[in-house]
Order: sequence, then structure tokens, then C-alpha cells
Amino acid sequence: GQQVMQIPQYQHVQEGEDFTTYCNSSTTLSNIQWYKQRPGGHPVFLIQLVKSGEVKKQKRLTFQFGEAKKNSSLHITATQTTDVGTYFCAGPGETSGSRLTFGEGTQLTVNP
Amino acid sequence: DGGITQSPKYLFRKEGQNVTLSCEQNLNHDAMYWYRQDPGQGLRLIYYSQIVNDFQKGDIAEGYSVSREKKESFPLTVTSAQKNPTAFYLCASRAGGMNTEAFFGQGTRLTVV
Repeated sequence: GQQVMQIPQYQHVQEGEDFTTYCNSSTTLSNIQWYKQRPGGHPVFLIQLVKSGEVKKQKRLTFQFGEAKKNSSLHITATQTTDVGTYFCAGPGETSGSRLTFGEGTQLTVNP
Repeated sequence: DGGITQSPKYLFRKEGQNVTLSCEQNLNHDAMYWYRQDPGQGLRLIYYSQIVNDFQKGDIAEGYSVSREKKESFPLTVTSAQKNPTAFYLCASRAGGMNTEAFFGQGTRLTVV
């Protein structure tokens, strides 16, 4: 079945350093979504990418969708303590578009 | 105030007892989901429903059951057959279709003793 994998599982950075998490799917995705979960909280939608090679920016966050639509990345420039949390990618199911499969997430810690 | 509500926030049960977790949404969303999250781990899909009176198994459905009798409600029952039920359970909803974002409830932390 479809698998969505994320690396790294954990990342510790000093405030001001950059951070990148990578998402890889075993199948081609029609779209990919990114979510952030703060410690003790619930996942909150950040963005969706649909087109091959698409790049979107939200302030210090840059999201990319691979040309083959099987991988994606989230890059944070100059991390801040407010960036702490777990970042998840998610994609639709191979046979059912309503199914939403999440990666394992990357847990980001930022040291001030 | 539109949103998705899970109750209770914390739940304790004795081993061998069934327990039902509530999930209600007033967003008029067609699709609803249940995920399980274990410490330091990702979200694993238990069940999902695309429409009233219909639902599909996710990746870890064994030991769980659901119903979808109303559009706004998608309760999850953790049965005694679930071997390791202690976890954080998250309910989500979407407007439907693969290009819509998911909205999550606050979650229920279930502890079985």
C-alpha cells in the first residue's frame, strides 16, 4: 500500500539556524499537504501543493513539490522558538482520494 | 463558532472495558477521520468516512469500531480487543475531495489501566 515517509524524525537546531524536512511517497501524489502540531496540541494545516515543481512561501517557510510529485520538502529559514513542533506531510490515498495518509513527522526543537 | 469538538479531553478506563470517544463537527463537512498518535510518532489512520452511513478501515482498524449515523458525528469505540489502547486519539474532518484541508479536534488522551 501507499507509504509516506519523512526524514529526519528529530531535528535540534540553534535559534537562527535553518531547518529542512523531507517527505517521500511510494506513489505519485495528486497533491501534498503540510501540517504543524505544537507540543500538546493538534495538527494545524499549513499549505497544500498541487502542481509538479511547485514552490510556495509563507514568510520564513518554503514548501516545494517535486517534479515527479513523489516528494516534497519544507524549509524554514532562520528558525525561531515559535517554530518548535512536529511537522507532518500528508497525501491522498492511492485508491481513495478521501483517504489522508500522514508521514511520521519531523519533531523540531529550537534552542534559544 | 464553527469547529470540531472531541470529548472528553482525558479518559481513563480499566482494561477489558469498551470506551467510546466522541467527535462532533458543525462545519458541514462530508469526510471525517480518526487517527491514533503514540508518543513521538506520527498519525496512523484508524477509520474514515466519506459520507453518512459509510466508512472504511484505515491502517490500524483492528480493535476499533465506528459509526456514522449523522453527518456531524463520528464516534469511535475502542473495544477490549484492542491490545494496546493507551494513546492520543485525534478526530478530523474535511469538506470532501482530495484538495481540501483537514481540521482537527483537540484530541482525547485515553489511558487504560
